[in-house]
Amino acid sequence: EAGVTQFPSHSVIEKGQTVTLRCDPISGHDNLYWYRRVMGKEIKFLLHFVKESKQDESGMPNNRFLAERTGGTYSTLKVQPAELEDSGVYFCASSQANEQYFGPGTRLTVT
Amino acid sequence: AQSVAQPEDQVNVAEGNPLTVKCTYSVSGNPYLFWYVQYPNRGLQFLLKYITGDNLVKGSYGFEAEFNKSQTSFHLKKPSALVSDSALYFCAVRDSGRYKLSFGAGTTVTVRA
Repeated sequence: EAGVTQFPSHSVIEKGQTVTLRCDPISGHDNLYWYRRVMGKEIKFLLHFVKESKQDESGMPNNRFLAERTGGTYSTLKVQPAELEDSGVYFCASSQANEQYFGPGTRLTVT
Repeated sequence: AQSVAQPEDQVNVAEGNPLTVKCTYSVSGNPYLFWYVQYPNRGLQFLLKYITGDNLVKGSYGFEAEFNKSQTSFHLKKPSALVSDSALYFCAVRDSGRYKLSFGAGTTVTVRA
């Protein structure tokens, strides 16, 4: 069984540009989550999808971040326009029961 | 509110010695507790969980964790550490009524040969 995959693995963009991160969950997992780890700090929750619906987006930092999960399969997280403080590692996870399975993360560097 | 504290940034042990990584938590309801490990240039790997039942839970790679409700702790243990256990370990908690995880800051474990 394939795990959670994320693309790209690393992205370097300039301040003000747009970046779109993609996550493919484990097949059959209805729950999909986005988290991020900034500057070696705690991993912070961003949002939670159940199928295509946003269940909880309380962790989204501001309206420069837009997450979608059309069709309830893969998800994208767009940052527009990117700011320096958005640099960090963005993790995606999926679950069907209690444990969440994480992808390898996308390392975003905003210069 | 829910939160996790990992009081040690780093833990250093010799190979063959017991390994303990500490974690305390705070939740308003019943806790669901998890340990994850991150090896260099890899994602988070699920190690083990406590949902209910036995306070001692066993997980992958010979790790176990003990849930202590009175001390609100969920320490990760391994009786005999290996050099390959060197990695970054995260404790996480969620309230039974919620889905989002709250993580500790992580503990870097270094096992020396």
